[in-house]
Formats: sequence, structure tokens, C-alpha cells
Amino acid sequence: QISLKESGPTLVKPTQTLTLTCTFSGFSLTTNAVGVGWIRQPPGKALQWLALFYWDDDKHFRPSLKSRLTITKDTSKNQVVLTMTNMDPVDTATYYCAHTSGRGDYAWFDPWGQGTLVTVSS
Amino acid sequence: SYVLTQPPSVSVAPGQTAGITCGGNNIGGKSVHWYQQKPGQAPVLVVYNDNDRPSGIPERFSGSNSGNTATLTISRVEAGDEADYYCQVWDGSGDPVIFGGGTKLTVL
Repeated sequence: QISLKESGPTLVKPTQTLTLTCTFSGFSLTTNAVGVGWIRQPPGKALQWLALFYWDDDKHFRPSLKSRLTITKDTSKNQVVLTMTNMDPVDTATYYCAHTSGRGDYAWFDPWGQGTLVTVSS
Repeated sequence: SYVLTQPPSVSVAPGQTAGITCGGNNIGGKSVHWYQQKPGQAPVLVVYNDNDRPSGIPERFSGSNSGNTATLTISRVEAGDEADYYCQVWDGSGDPVIFGGGTKLTVL
């Protein structure tokens, strides 16, 4: 059974860097076609895709945020880490990580972690 | 960049059929995936590849996709289906992963 869980700070100050960790079980990031995505949701708003990281180190980022995002993996710990620099109050959102086992048209997300709310405020 | 357009809200009486649309330029040429999100919970995949259901999702959930519109159809709607629903595609350019703006399904 696949499961994922996000962890990280609940409050960050403007201009700080956010580091979120997705710890997963039930799959390996050494398996062909497997990936982990990051999606966020500002309060009361729609889902917004951020990044996608595949088993072969193929990475995709939301173009408008690409300069602020970094994604790494630790296969021994079954973790994917997302960092976002220069945080702003508009980045306040629930951040989710999710599993995918396909690319392109086959890149759907299932399942998702429970999400973690990050508030950006001084 | 590619845009997916969903109606903000859809209302349906229990036992009736709900249709939630997702519009996009030639979306029929893409694979569409649908997620259900209940208040305070993470999204759950309910349909993938236009009309496939993950295990555990009732047969009442189905999808179609043609031309410029994809549709999630929920038959025999139950109170427990009340949620926000999002469509998603892969674009391959611009933002690779695109979500629609979401539709709030209200069961009257």
C-alpha cells in the first residue's frame, strides 16, 4: 500500500526559504516510471502544480516558479525534498506531495499525502 | 499556456446524474484525469485516462472526452459525493501539469 506524508515548518517569514520533505512508503524511486509530484492549494483556491521528480532524475517545474524551486531525492530514506526560496505571503498554502507511475498523458497523481499548511507571515 | 475551464458550481438532487465539464482547446486529444476533494481532505483520484476508475471508486463515476470538452459523470448521486472536483491534463509545453479551476458539487 502506497502512502506519503509531508513534513516541514508551518510558519515561515517573508524572504525565507521553505524546505518540505515528502516521506513515502510502498514504492521506490528506483523503479521505472515512478515519480513524486508537489502540488499546492492556497486557502479556498484551486490546486496548483509545482514540480515533478522521476526515478531517473528527470525533473519538471512550474515555469513561473522554476527559479525558486529545487527538488532532490534520498532513495535510501524514501524521501523527496522540495525547497522554495524567497517565500512571500502569496505562497501561503497547503502543500501536497503525490505519487505518479507515468509520464506525459499517463502522469496522474495517486495517492496524495495528507498535506501540510504553510503560512508565510512576519 | 494551456487552460482548463470548469464551471464553479454544479447542483444536483440525490439520485440524479451530475455532469461536471472541463473545457480546453482540443482536450479530446489529451488524457484527462479527475480528482475529488472533500473539505479538509487531500484530493483523491476518481477517474484517469478519460474513463478508467482506480480500484475502490464506485462504477457511478465515469468520464468522457471529445473535442473541446471532457466530462465527469456521477450517476445516482449521493450526499457523500458533495465535494470539489478537479480535472487535470499533461500539456507538454508551458506548465506540463495543468489543473482546472475546480467545480463545487452540491447535493441538494
